[in-house]
Amino acid sequence: DTGVSQDPRHKITKRGQNVTFRCDPISEHNRLYWYRQTLGQGPEFLTYFQNEAQLEKSRLLSDRFSAERPKGSFSTLEIQRTEQGDSAMYLCASSLAPSGRTYEQYFGPGTRLTVT
Amino acid sequence: QKEVEQDPGPLSVPEGAIVSLNCTYSNSAFQYFMWYRQYSRKGPELLMYTYSSGNKEDGRFTAQVDKSSKYISLFIRDSQPSDSATYLCAMTSYDKVIFGPGTSLSVIP
Repeated sequence: DTGVSQDPRHKITKRGQNVTFRCDPISEHNRLYWYRQTLGQGPEFLTYFQNEAQLEKSRLLSDRFSAERPKGSFSTLEIQRTEQGDSAMYLCASSLAPSGRTYEQYFGPGTRLTVT
Repeated sequence: QKEVEQDPGPLSVPEGAIVSLNCTYSNSAFQYFMWYRQYSRKGPELLMYTYSSGNKEDGRFTAQVDKSSKYISLFIRDSQPSDSATYLCAMTSYDKVIFGPGTSLSVIP
């Protein structure tokens, strides 16, 4: 299967701990997006990369969140000092740019984070 | 006012029914209009996308865009139990995708 993969699928952590998630995009895709989705809501944009460059970060994103894509392949999303409000599904998506295919994003299965 | 509004449902229909799902939006700069389907505990998958006002058909699915009214629709003909999922409308704003909250659909056999 050459789709988008995410690891871990589930993470339970205690408030105040740091967590890191990994996303492996479709191999030829140069854009990678991170989203957060809470129950009953659509995915909310967090940040995106084109190759290794982080091009945009949501203004709603706390400084406790950081993302990297060091070699333009896989990406990590780290949340420091987790809070209960961080409990959500974290989704990764990839697409091919700059062919204008922002609309054609392929999503991974997500990482479900529970902060206790 | 949110940029994209969508009736969250839940919507329950009998198998074989025609389903109509709708979204309204406020930003006239949106370019592409998409519908994603999301099964429980899975990531969204792209169903259809359109660029201009009008209709686009793909099998049992028809996407409709009315830019003058800032209104988009997805019609599902001959609905099947396998269509039971959450349907998310989405729109592109430059390099970002803005999603609606989704409508939960159940197709009852």
